[in-house]
Amino acid sequence: QVQLVESGGGVVQPGRSLRLSCTASGFTFENFGIHWVRQAPGKGLEWVAVIWYDGSEQSYVESVRGRFTVSRDNSKNTVDLLMNSLRVEDTAIYYCARDSGFYGAGTLDYWGHGNLVTVS
Amino acid sequence: QSVLTQPPSVSGAPGQRVTISCTGESTNIGAGYDVHWYQQFPGTAPKLIIFTFTNRPLGVPDRFSGSKSGTSASLAISGLQAEDEADYYCQSYDNSLTVFGTGTRVTVL
Repeated sequence: QVQLVESGGGVVQPGRSLRLSCTASGFTFENFGIHWVRQAPGKGLEWVAVIWYDGSEQSYVESVRGRFTVSRDNSKNTVDLLMNSLRVEDTAIYYCARDSGFYGAGTLDYWGHGNLVTVS
Repeated sequence: QSVLTQPPSVSGAPGQRVTISCTGESTNIGAGYDVHWYQQFPGTAPKLIIFTFTNRPLGVPDRFSGSKSGTSASLAISGLQAEDEADYYCQSYDNSLTVFGTGTRVTVL
């Protein structure tokens, strides 16, 4: 079955960096775009970033552009989110989710369980 | 703030029908981009319940249905059940980026 598992979260001071990882299994990883979505405590969902199936293109929400970088390793079935210059407002649960297609313009059909990042 | 607006909350008695609107603009729903819907229970990850306006993934009860009209989309829950109490989010595409709605809390009275 399709599984996505996030790791790497924790507590970090403002201005520091943190790397989240998403490890996938149960499907042909190289055929799907992968998204990162976050949810601040008590708030709604906010889309953060997406990476195409082959890693050739990435897109970001305005608030993280220039600070966050998404990358993938199709040989290891992993997607990483490198978060630099972290701010208190980046505190959230971070989910990785599979896109239904190659280019990250479809539906998010499978989600990981989420990983908490606290910037304080 | 999100470009997709939802009512903060809706409520209904068991067995009733409730609808959740997702109001967009000419750059997203009005531009022809698909709308998808997610259900989220407290402390858990969102789950896809409607894709491409009206389609249900396997295992999603048929009391959940979706529709589109102009620059808006709607999610309807017929025969409301206690287990439907959750948060619901619409999602679409805007200026080449994925966007979520503001979210709606459904309460079963």
